[in-house]
Amino acid sequence: DAGVTQSPTHLIKTRGQHVTLRCSPISGHKSVSWYQQVLGQGPQFIFQYYEKEERGRGNFPDRFSARQFPNYSSELNVNALLLGDSALYLCASSLAVGNQPQHFGDGTRLSIL
Amino acid sequence: SQQGEEDPQALSIQEGENATMNCSYKTSINNLQWYRQNSGRGLVHLILIRSNEREKHSGRLRVTLDTSKKSSSLLITASRAADTASYFCATDELRGGSEKLVFGKGTKLTVNP
Repeated sequence: DAGVTQSPTHLIKTRGQHVTLRCSPISGHKSVSWYQQVLGQGPQFIFQYYEKEERGRGNFPDRFSARQFPNYSSELNVNALLLGDSALYLCASSLAVGNQPQHFGDGTRLSIL
Repeated sequence: SQQGEEDPQALSIQEGENATMNCSYKTSINNLQWYRQNSGRGLVHLILIRSNEREKHSGRLRVTLDTSKKSSSLLITASRAADTASYFCATDELRGGSEKLVFGKGTKLTVNP
């Protein structure tokens, strides 16, 4: 079975641009979460979606938005990119919400010039 | 903000030795999870221990949880070079249907052959 897949794997943008990152969860998983991991740090929670509804939001500005589609795939959008947005963006899926191990993709490496 | 704090930040051992990593956290939790991350890759779930459990085993891994001290430990026995990776603890905060994992900064483990 395929794991969590993310695209693209690498992306280079300039300040002020916007970016869309995509995630396909493991088949049957209805919950998708997004995390930002800056070099040398642990992942920071951005969003959780379950059954197409936002279930949680981390301490990130409104420039960050996300959505989940009927097939449970998800997109993370970031507008007005800043240098500090350079990071590894990780998507994780789980069967449901609550006491669930998270299954992570390999992430999208976003570099802002 | 990061809740879990792993200790030590870095650990270097010889193949065959045991490796112990500790994690402290600050607030009440639903469960605590340990993940492994190889350089540049996504996180791999290792063990989930619920707040009412004290110890859990999986193969060469042993996790303990002390909710009175708000701490957990991960023991890897008979380490192998392939165990070289960063290890993160994450506390699972479930409130009002919203779930998020709060990660520490991780312990970088090097197992020398």
